Amino acid sequence: AQKVTQAQTEISVVEKEDVTLDCVYETRDTTYYLFWYKQPPSGELVFLIRRNSFDEQNEISGRYSWNFQKSTSSFNFTITASQVVDSAVYFCALSELYSGYALNFGKGTSLLVTP
Amino acid sequence: DAGVTQSPTHLIKTRGQQVTLRCSPKSGHDTVSWYQQALGQGPQFIFQYYEEEERQRGNFPDRFSGHQFPNYSSELNVNALLLGDSALYLCASSLENDGQEDGYTFGSGTRLTVV
Repeated sequence: AQKVTQAQTEISVVEKEDVTLDCVYETRDTTYYLFWYKQPPSGELVFLIRRNSFDEQNEISGRYSWNFQKSTSSFNFTITASQVVDSAVYFCALSELYSGYALNFGKGTSLLVTP
Repeated sequence: DAGVTQSPTHLIKTRGQQVTLRCSPKSGHDTVSWYQQALGQGPQFIFQYYEEEERQRGNFPDRFSGHQFPNYSSELNVNALLLGDSALYLCASSLENDGQEDGYTFGSGTRLTVV
């Protein structure tokens, strides 16, 4: 069963629009970590954020913000005022104590930002 | 400071052959994990090496094996290649117990094509 679900396969927005990428996870562990990675066409996975299960504070980093809600098992990612350089595939990932903290990725959301 | 280095960048092999992929971790990192990313999918965890031993393994057959050397570099070996092994193979390094802090550092991957 898929532990991380990214329901949006592809999203297309026009530059300067705000966009939210959804992530829903499933775990029985009380200790776990959630991540977001960006994968540009070059293939390298770029780390964006990590959140542990005990910290539900939302976080903002420049144009990026993350909303972690344990009640709905969601960890959504919002890009404000999107730019063409934001075009990439974005992955949400879960790591659990149960699986030795190996990263369990969703299928990704491909974001295209057009001028 | 070099990040994670993987070689080769691209590789074409014939079905039934064997292949070896290489990874040099980020300086200061001692743990190496390997992931397989099929086209259009999220990365799937293969295994993780620490102190020259396989510590965790995902749902991959024994045809997939690995090794970690005293300098922390690692190899991924795949025997009896199948067409379905065609994928981007990603290496990620981390520091033991700190992997959850910095979210692992990924290389750009090796693109393996099996024909």
